[in-house]
Amino acid sequence: GENVEQHPSTLSVQEGDSAVIKCTYSDSASNYFPWYKQELGKGPQLIIDIRSNVGEKKDQRIAVTLNKTAKHFSLHITETQPEDSAVYFCAANPSGGGADGLTFGKGTHLIIQP
Amino acid sequence: KAGVTQTPRYLIKTRGQQVTLSCSPISGHRSVSWYQQTPGQGLQFLFEYFSETQRNKGNFPGRFSGRQFSNSRSEMNVSTLELGDSALYLCASRGETRTDTQYFGPGTRLTVL
Repeated sequence: GENVEQHPSTLSVQEGDSAVIKCTYSDSASNYFPWYKQELGKGPQLIIDIRSNVGEKKDQRIAVTLNKTAKHFSLHITETQPEDSAVYFCAANPSGGGADGLTFGKGTHLIIQP
Repeated sequence: KAGVTQTPRYLIKTRGQQVTLSCSPISGHRSVSWYQQTPGQGLQFLFEYFSETQRNKGNFPGRFSGRQFSNSRSEMNVSTLELGDSALYLCASRGETRTDTQYFGPGTRLTVL
């Protein structure tokens, strides 16, 4: 089955700096890659996603890049703010004839230092 | 639109008991997926229901089961609870295709004593 590796597990950056989280996946047929943000006591919230026919997608301070050849995708957050502190998960939608569930990375705890 | 709702939010059970969790998807969504989240294993897919039929199942024992009703609401059941079943159980709903966005509920925190 699909395997998603996510790095780093913890990332501490100064407020205003950029943060980058990287993920790799194993199933070359995966074609959908969402990123979720989870705050304490809440369920994961989708922040951005990318489909395999696109190499990059941007939404204000957040961008995601996808390299299908290398099977990796990354989340970029610019001008970080205290409210960006949370756990971020990448995920991939594996191939299969049916509607498989998302395979998630282990998460990155992003800490924004004031 | 109202988001995904899950009840109850917190549950405490003892080993050997069974538990039923409930999920109401976003209006118009016919797919409901269940995930287990633990500090050690992270987020793991349990199963997905679409139009009252289980479409896919993750790698969990048969003690974990679910169902979906005609109004798309879903329940999951865990029988013969074990200590290791303590986790946050998340429900997610989406539209009909595999690449539709999944929207998560707040989860049910289950503690097994």
